[in-house]
Amino acid sequence: GENVEQHPSTLSVQEGDSAVIKCTYSDSASNYFPWYKQELGKGPQLIIDIRSNVGEKKDQRIAVTLNKTAKHFSLHITETQPEDSAVYFCAAIERGADGLTFGKGTHLIIQP
Amino acid sequence: NAGVTQTPKFQVLKTGQSMTLQCAQDMNHEYMSWYRQDPGMGLRLIHYSVGAGITDQGEVPNGYNVSRSTTEDFPLRLLSAAPSQTSVYFCATRGQTYEQYFGPGTRLTVT
Repeated sequence: GENVEQHPSTLSVQEGDSAVIKCTYSDSASNYFPWYKQELGKGPQLIIDIRSNVGEKKDQRIAVTLNKTAKHFSLHITETQPEDSAVYFCAAIERGADGLTFGKGTHLIIQP
Repeated sequence: NAGVTQTPKFQVLKTGQSMTLQCAQDMNHEYMSWYRQDPGMGLRLIHYSVGAGITDQGEVPNGYNVSRSTTEDFPLRLLSAAPSQTSVYFCATRGQTYEQYFGPGTRLTVT
């Protein structure tokens, strides 16, 4: 089955700087890669996703890049703000699979 | 439009007790699933359903039962709770595309 590795487990950046979180996956048949943001005491919220036929996708201050050859994808957050502080999860799924396989999460801390 | 709702928000059980975690959605999604979240482990799939009357096991199904009699509801049953089932449980739905939407979670403690 699919295995997703996520790094780093904790990331501390100064407000206004950029943050990058990286994930690798094992199954070359995976074709959908979402990113979720989870605030304390809440459920994961989908913030951006990318499909295997696209190399990059942007939505305002966040972007995701996908390298299918290397089997890794990354979340980029620019101009970080205090409200970006949360735990971020990457995930992967293969067409027809049961459900998402998640990374173990990155705790992003925005220092004022 | 409430999206995905879960009840209760918190629950404490003694070992051996049973309970049902409720999940309801108003998005008319066929696919529903249950995940558990443990510290440092991400989320792991317990059971899922692709429509009313159809359920199947995920990665960690042992100790849990599910049924799906309607499109809207997908309850998760613990027949005999164990301390290893202490976790946060999330229900999720998915429509025709891949996007999954999660409920607010149920925090369960088994003593």
